[in-house]
Amino acid sequence: QVQLQESGPGLVKSSQTLSLTCSVSGGSINSGGNFWTWVRQHPGKGLEWIGCVYYSGITYYNPSLESRLSISLDRFKNQFSLRLSSVTAADTAVYYCARESPLYYSGSGTYSSFDSWGRGNLVTVSS
Amino acid sequence: SSELTQAPAVSVALGQTVRITCQGDSLRSYYASWYQQKPRQAPVLVIYGKNIRPSGIPDRFSGSSSGNTASLTITGAQAEDEADYYCNSRDISNNQCVFGGGTKLTVL
Repeated sequence: QVQLQESGPGLVKSSQTLSLTCSVSGGSINSGGNFWTWVRQHPGKGLEWIGCVYYSGITYYNPSLESRLSISLDRFKNQFSLRLSSVTAADTAVYYCARESPLYYSGSGTYSSFDSWGRGNLVTVSS
Repeated sequence: SSELTQAPAVSVALGQTVRITCQGDSLRSYYASWYQQKPRQAPVLVIYGKNIRPSGIPDRFSGSSSGNTASLTITGAQAEDEADYYCNSRDISNNQCVFGGGTKLTVL
């Protein structure tokens, strides 16, 4: 069973860069087809997909964050990372890392799933 | 549009059946996945694909889809099912994922 664990500072100053790492155990980030994903949740709000890095290294980002966002793989450490620049109070949230399974194609549609999640890392942006 | 729409809240009497729906254009070609989230916990996958339950998820949880609407049904709701439920889908044209706004389920 794959396990994920976020790490990084819990407090970031406004205008600086938020950096988080997700350590993967029980499986390899090089496993074919998986999307290594970041999701955040503002206090009392719903889930927001931030973006992901495909096992090949290709990235996909939420358009609302793309200009400030970078997600990357570290194959040697079996980790993936998030960098979000120029943060404001609006970036205060719990940040989750997750594994999205490969895409499966059935006769009636395509599907995947976020089948493993980290416990979440609360990041507060202070002024 | 890649948006997914869910009702903010729904309630069900203990032991009864409840359906939580999710609407969006991407659901015409992509099956929703569903996540249960309890307070101060990470989300947990409960349904994905046509109607697939991960190991450990009770069989009272089921999923269905028609047109642009996906549904999560809980048959015989239990007190422990009280939680927030989120649907997720993907726009396969650009690989953008999106979550619905979430539905808060109250078991009375």
